[in-house]
Amino acid sequence: QKEVEQNSGPLSVPEGAIASLNCTYSDRGSQSFFWYRQYSGKSPELIMSIYSNGDKEDGRFTAQLNKASQYVSLLIRDSQPSDSATYLCAAERDDKIIFGKGTRLHILP
Amino acid sequence: GAVVSQHPSWVICKSGTSVKIECRSLDFQATTMFWYRQFPKQSLMLMATSNEGSKATYEQGVEKDKFLINHASLTLSTLTVTSAHPEDSSFYICSALSGSAVGADTQYFGPGTRLTVL
Repeated sequence: QKEVEQNSGPLSVPEGAIASLNCTYSDRGSQSFFWYRQYSGKSPELIMSIYSNGDKEDGRFTAQLNKASQYVSLLIRDSQPSDSATYLCAAERDDKIIFGKGTRLHILP
Repeated sequence: GAVVSQHPSWVICKSGTSVKIECRSLDFQATTMFWYRQFPKQSLMLMATSNEGSKATYEQGVEKDKFLINHASLTLSTLTVTSAHPEDSSFYICSALSGSAVGADTQYFGPGTRLTVL
């Protein structure tokens, strides 16, 4: 059973548009959720963390959490070519962080 | 944000030799560090959890005698790939757990070490 699921993509979004990335998780006991960005050949970097139901905004990024639906999303407004990367969703479980396989995002100039 | 370093950033070695990779938390103490491996176009695979002062906890399928982990201090964990073979060639990434004010820990990743075994 996959614990954190993401669509692998690629997701192609025109520059300036909103990119919407989705993730579901299986463990209802998870309390903390994270979005990481990973450029090719580089290690992941943390973009957002979210712990409570609702929205959390940080600049062009908005994370959304719905624990009842076990659903996490990341919105990227005003998408830029530099946002092209793989985005990893992660959920905390038993003091470990479980990663999804990532969604490849491609911003079209 | 918290900074995690890894050394070396890349290494090429001959088959049968051992390679040590260091992971350091530079501006915070990390009682827990994690070691991941990532093959090209694949997801991060957790290899083991490294706890300061105690034995590492390995994930199923990871050989603990082949991948030796030592977490000797609150800022340093090492991964030694013993008797490396070409199939061990991969991108090895460590992360360190940092407690946050909101009560949830966040993992910060090192830049990774690319290992190539000839």
